Amino acid sequence: NAGVMQNPRHLVRRRGQEARLRCSPMKGHSHVYWYRQLPEEGLKFMVYLQKENIIDESGMPKERFSAEFPKEGPSILRIQQVVRGDSAAYFCASSPSVWGTDTQYFGPGTRLTVL
Amino acid sequence: GQQLNQSPQSMFIQEGEDVSMNCTSSSIFNTWLWYKQDPGEGPVLLIALYKAGELTSNGRLTAQFGITRKDSFLNISASIPSDVGIYFCAGGNTGNQFYFGTGTSLTVIP
Repeated sequence: NAGVMQNPRHLVRRRGQEARLRCSPMKGHSHVYWYRQLPEEGLKFMVYLQKENIIDESGMPKERFSAEFPKEGPSILRIQQVVRGDSAAYFCASSPSVWGTDTQYFGPGTRLTVL
Repeated sequence: GQQLNQSPQSMFIQEGEDVSMNCTSSSIFNTWLWYKQDPGEGPVLLIALYKAGELTSNGRLTAQFGITRKDSFLNISASIPSDVGIYFCAGGNTGNQFYFGTGTSLTVIP
């Protein structure tokens, strides 16, 4: 059973470009979460999605950031007009049921570098 | 957002020693999770706790869900070099997000 998959593993963008990060949850998991991790820091929650719905986006910046989890295909975290401060590791996690009561399994992450 | 206090921040121990770390919160949680993260990788789930007072083991790892529901502990017995990494705790409640600790960096000296 494949784990959570993320791609690309590494992404380099110049300031002002767009970054698209993809996440395929574990088979049978319909809940996806995105986190951001800065060097030497813990994980910071960004957004929680179920298929075709955003459940909680309280951790996501109001501008330039968006996320989706379509009926078919992976979840996408999109960052428009990237700035240097967006450089970080972005992790996706998935779980089979309601969050807070079930475990989350993480992908390997996408390391975004903004030049 | 809420931040869990995890201590110690870093540990340097000799191979074979036991390790203890803990995580505290000002809020009550009904789920505690412990993860290990290697450099350049995503966190890997070690132990999940769902009940106050619960004590759960996974090989040489043992974790406890504090009675107050505001803390959790992780112990590693007889450490080995591959235990090196950063250990994170996470607390959560039904219908709400998980909050992560700041991490404990473990170095095992052969």
